[in-house]
Amino acid sequence: EAGVAQSPRYKIIEKRQSVAFWCNPISGHATLYWYQQILGQGPKLLIQFQNNGVVDDSQLPKDRFSAERLKGVDSTLKIQPAKLEDSAVYLCASSPPGTDTQYFGPGTRLTVL
Amino acid sequence: AQSVTQLGSHVSVSEGALVLLRCNYSSSVPPYLFWYVQYPNQGLQLLLKYTTGATLVKGINGFEAEFKKSETSFHLTKPSAHMSDAAEYFCAVSDGNQAGTALIFGKGTTLSVSS
Repeated sequence: EAGVAQSPRYKIIEKRQSVAFWCNPISGHATLYWYQQILGQGPKLLIQFQNNGVVDDSQLPKDRFSAERLKGVDSTLKIQPAKLEDSAVYLCASSPPGTDTQYFGPGTRLTVL
Repeated sequence: AQSVTQLGSHVSVSEGALVLLRCNYSSSVPPYLFWYVQYPNQGLQLLLKYTTGATLVKGINGFEAEFKKSETSFHLTKPSAHMSDAAEYFCAVSDGNQAGTALIFGKGTTLSVSS
């Protein structure tokens, strides 16, 4: 079974630029999560999707971050414009219906200069 | 509200020694508790989880954890450390009343294993 795929793995941009990350969850997993992991901290939820609907985006900085999950499969997370404090690893996770186990992708490491 | 505290950001042990990583949680609802491991430049991998039932949970790679409600703890142990256990370990909690809710993570503990 293929795992959660993310791309790119690494991205370096300058502040005020825009960037997008892509996630392909495990086939059949209805729930998709985006987490932000700042160096030295645990992951923090940004947004949770159930199929193509948003379940929780209370911690998403909506003035600069946006996310979508068209057709309930792949998802993209965008930052526009980026700030220095957005430097972090962005982790995508998915889980099958009715379970509590989340499967994580390898993450995208973003560096904002 | 839920939160997780991992005591000790760094733990160092010798190969063959006992591994003990501490996790305390706060939750106003029945918690589901998890331990994840993260190797450099990789995503998080589930070691074990507690949902309901037996409070001693066994996971992969010889790890186990015990849910102690009275102490609000979920410490991770392994009888004998291997060099390959060196990684970062995260304890996490979610709402036990709602399957699939997001995880709330601790800050992590880096485990170093020396020969």
